[in-house]
Amino acid sequence: DVKVTQSSRYLVKRTGEKVFLECVQDMDHENMFWYRQDPGLGLRLIYFSYDVKMKEKGDIPEGYSVSREKKERFSLILESASTNQTSMYLCASSFWTGSGNEQFFGPGTRLTVL
Amino acid sequence: GESVGLHLPTLSVQEGDNSIINCAYSNSASDYFIWYKQESGKGPQFIIDIRSNMDKRQGQRVTVLLNKTVKHLSLQIAATQPGDSAVYFCAENMNNQFYFGTGTSLTVIP
Repeated sequence: DVKVTQSSRYLVKRTGEKVFLECVQDMDHENMFWYRQDPGLGLRLIYFSYDVKMKEKGDIPEGYSVSREKKERFSLILESASTNQTSMYLCASSFWTGSGNEQFFGPGTRLTVL
Repeated sequence: GESVGLHLPTLSVQEGDNSIINCAYSNSASDYFIWYKQESGKGPQFIIDIRSNMDKRQGQRVTVLLNKTVKHLSLQIAATQPGDSAVYFCAENMNNQFYFGTGTSLTVIP
């Protein structure tokens, strides 16, 4: 089974802190994604990556950066956390099957910024 | 950006009844669609997918219908069970990016 793991389920940080969210997948997928999920807004794409050391901005990249030094690991970084970054963060990975592009999600990290 | 929405934010059904969850998408160029189930405190789980060259696909107790004319997607769950209680949302794929709906909360009444 595909497994996508995230380093923390719950995280509480203070405004201005630097925050690292780690995501690891074990299926050799090329594609990895970071989303945030907020009530009434659905999932919004922050950043994605199609290959090692490659990154692309999603719909809401402001205040975030990412790192993909190894194929299996995709990190989301909040350089200076703010209260409006309190959210559920979901990591996903995917591969192209030829008939579709199914995404597999991690369990999520609920981040609270005080 | 793309807009993917659900007609109803909440749905309650009796155990054993069939459930229908609807989704509207906005971009006719989207070529792949997925339905996800998300239980409380968990990440989304893949349920079923469909490509744009199909109008129906069936899985175990689930069926997805795609109407490209009106850009509408639906998920049918047969013989709904208490374990089906969750938030369901659709996703459309275009240019290798996914766009997600806000979700419908399904509650199964025993």
